[in-house]
Amino acid sequence: NAGVTQTPKFRVLKTGQSMTLLCAQDMNHEYMYWYRQDPGMGLRLIHYSVGEGTTAKGEVPDGYNVSRLKKQNFLLGLESAAPSQTSVYFCASSYGTEGNEQFFGPGTRLTVL
Amino acid sequence: GESVGLHLPTLSVQEGDNSIINCAYSNSASDYFIWYKQESGKGPQFIIDIRSNMDKRQGQRVTVLLNKTVKHLSLQIAATQPGDSAVYFCAETPGYSTLTFGKGTMLLVSP
Repeated sequence: NAGVTQTPKFRVLKTGQSMTLLCAQDMNHEYMYWYRQDPGMGLRLIHYSVGEGTTAKGEVPDGYNVSRLKKQNFLLGLESAAPSQTSVYFCASSYGTEGNEQFFGPGTRLTVL
Repeated sequence: GESVGLHLPTLSVQEGDNSIINCAYSNSASDYFIWYKQESGKGPQFIIDIRSNMDKRQGQRVTVLLNKTVKHLSLQIAATQPGDSAVYFCAETPGYSTLTFGKGTMLLVSP
C-alpha cells in the first residue's frame, strides 16, 4: 500500500496564479484533512472531509477551496495565490475521528512569489 | 528555506540518555491524545496514543504520561538514539472533533 500520497512535491507560483494540490489514499479511509505547516506554528487545519462529497472548514480556511468527489482523493485549490500562502501543505487521512490515528502524506512545499 | 524546527523549543540529549518531552494541552474536554514524530522533510508519523481513562501507556521504548488535573502530557523515550532526532508534536481532541496540534519540540540527539 502506498498510504497517503501528495502531488506535486514542490511548486513555485506567482501572486494571483491558481493551482490544485492532489491527495490520494489507498486505505479506504472516510476522513481526509488538509493542513498547512509554518515555522514555529505547528500544523493548522485548513479544511477536512468526513466522507465522499462532503467538506468542512478548519481553523484557517480563507483563500482555499477543497473537493472530495471520490473517496480516495481530496483536492486543495488556491484560486488566487498570495505570498502568505507560502507554506508546507500536508494531507492526512483517518478511518474516523473517534480515537483514531491520522496518517500523513509527505507534504508539498509551495512558494508564492 | 526555513525549517519547521525554527523557533521551536529544543531538547538536546546524548545518545543513550532518556528523553522527556512535555506538552501542555488547552481543552479540558479533550479525551484522546496522540504523539507524532516528524523528521526533516517528511510528514508526521504516529508514535503512541492515550485515552483520558488512562494515565500511562507504554510502547516500544516510548511511554506517554497523562495528567488531566494539570492538563499535561509527556513523552518519554528510553535509550535515545540519533534516529530519534526529530520534531515531536502532541495532538488532542474531544473525540468527536478534529485534532488540535501543539507547536512541537525539537529533539537533538548527539552521538
